[in-house]
Amino acid sequence: DQQVKQNSPSLSVQEGRISILNCDYTNSMFDYFLWYKKYPAEGPTFLISISSIKDKNEDGRFTVFLNKSAKHLSLHIVPSQPGDSAVYFCAASAHTGNQFYFGTGTSLTVIP
Amino acid sequence: DTGVSQDPRHKITKRGQNVTFRCDPISEHNRLYWYRQTLGQGPEFLTYFQNEAQLEKSRLLSDRFSAERPKGSFSTLEIQRTEQGDSAMYLCASSLGLAAGELFFGEGSRLTVL
Repeated sequence: DQQVKQNSPSLSVQEGRISILNCDYTNSMFDYFLWYKKYPAEGPTFLISISSIKDKNEDGRFTVFLNKSAKHLSLHIVPSQPGDSAVYFCAASAHTGNQFYFGTGTSLTVIP
Repeated sequence: DTGVSQDPRHKITKRGQNVTFRCDPISEHNRLYWYRQTLGQGPEFLTYFQNEAQLEKSRLLSDRFSAERPKGSFSTLEIQRTEQGDSAMYLCASSLGLAAGELFFGEGSRLTVL
């Protein structure tokens, strides 16, 4: 049962443009969300988080938007850079829970 | 280096052998997690510890899998009688606090079962 879904396995964007990565979840108890970036042969690296009391969180070029009614979040990267090319995972947790549920990832390629 | 470290980074074994992976979390982190990741999938939760207590282990894939964190510091994940389906990346992560918080991952231990 996939509680966190990333329906786009891959995305290609031109350098300097905006990258938008999407994530949907099914469990209404989820109230804390993370985005991770993963390069091949490395562990995931934390990017940005958002809790359900907010609908937006920004950190430099990265912004995460949360739409609780739609159970949807998105990660915006602007401007996109070639070094952003990686697999991006979203993860969700309930504050009463003990684990994060991860999506299957979106492979982002930023074309120079 | 004060991040999460895992050892070995890569293990090749024959089917039926036992393997053990070690994870050293960030020193002040009280929570330690094990995840498994297979190709094309996201990390899949296996188990977690708060200090030395294993608070969730129902997601361990079978009774061939076991994990320990004897003194609330490093942890080991053992797989007995390995099968080819166990081939995957085993990820360890740690976090600080009583509730689920940001996870810091190690670089993973890749298991190949021949």
